Amino acid sequence: DIVMTQSPLSLPVTLGQPASISCRSSQSLVHSDGNTYLNWFHQRPGQSPRRLIFLISNRDSGVPDRFSGSGSGTDFTLKISRVEADDVGIYYCMQATDWPWTFGQGTRVEIK
Amino acid sequence: VQVVESGGGVVQPGGSLRLSCAASGFAFSEWGMHWIRQAPGKGLEWVSTIQYNGNNKHYLDSVKGRFTISRDNSKNMLFLEMNSLIIEDTAVYYCVADGPYIAALWGQGTLVTVSS
Repeated sequence: DIVMTQSPLSLPVTLGQPASISCRSSQSLVHSDGNTYLNWFHQRPGQSPRRLIFLISNRDSGVPDRFSGSGSGTDFTLKISRVEADDVGIYYCMQATDWPWTFGQGTRVEIK
Repeated sequence: VQVVESGGGVVQPGGSLRLSCAASGFAFSEWGMHWIRQAPGKGLEWVSTIQYNGNNKHYLDSVKGRFTISRDNSKNMLFLEMNSLIIEDTAVYYCVADGPYIAALWGQGTLVTVSS
């Protein structure tokens, strides 16, 4: 199975400041079809997860451009350019390149 | 555009439960569908996937032979038949739809509690 490792697991941030979450996979996420199936999700307290980013760097409709995804191969990053109060919660990366699909442990973002 | 799960509840170890997911507002028959679960206080775990036409299915190793995913495209419904339930199956089960791309739309989840 592909192991997804996120860091940090806890991220206290100041409002208006940037934040960055790393996600590393135990093997390349490049699929034989040429795509890299790396998604990012955000789960607010008491809510269902919501997809933010698909295929490494594509923002979902309605996701602010403060959020950006980047990376390749085994190394990926989610960045928030200026954290807002609504950004608190847990962020997960997920690979869908190979079965079984696997998630990172989650990174809890909180406001200092 | 939504998916709504139902069928969760409390069941004893060894028991069975059937989860349902009603989809609306999108072309259900064109997209893959998934079940993803979250144990209390824990992270997300993919459980099962079914192709848009029901022809291909995939399962987490720990549920193979116990869980069966199915769909009825004529009724825009997704199902998860769960047998021989164990304590470790306790979780909120989310119905998740592709469209486009993977895991685009999540339901509110249904809680399955396996307890004696």
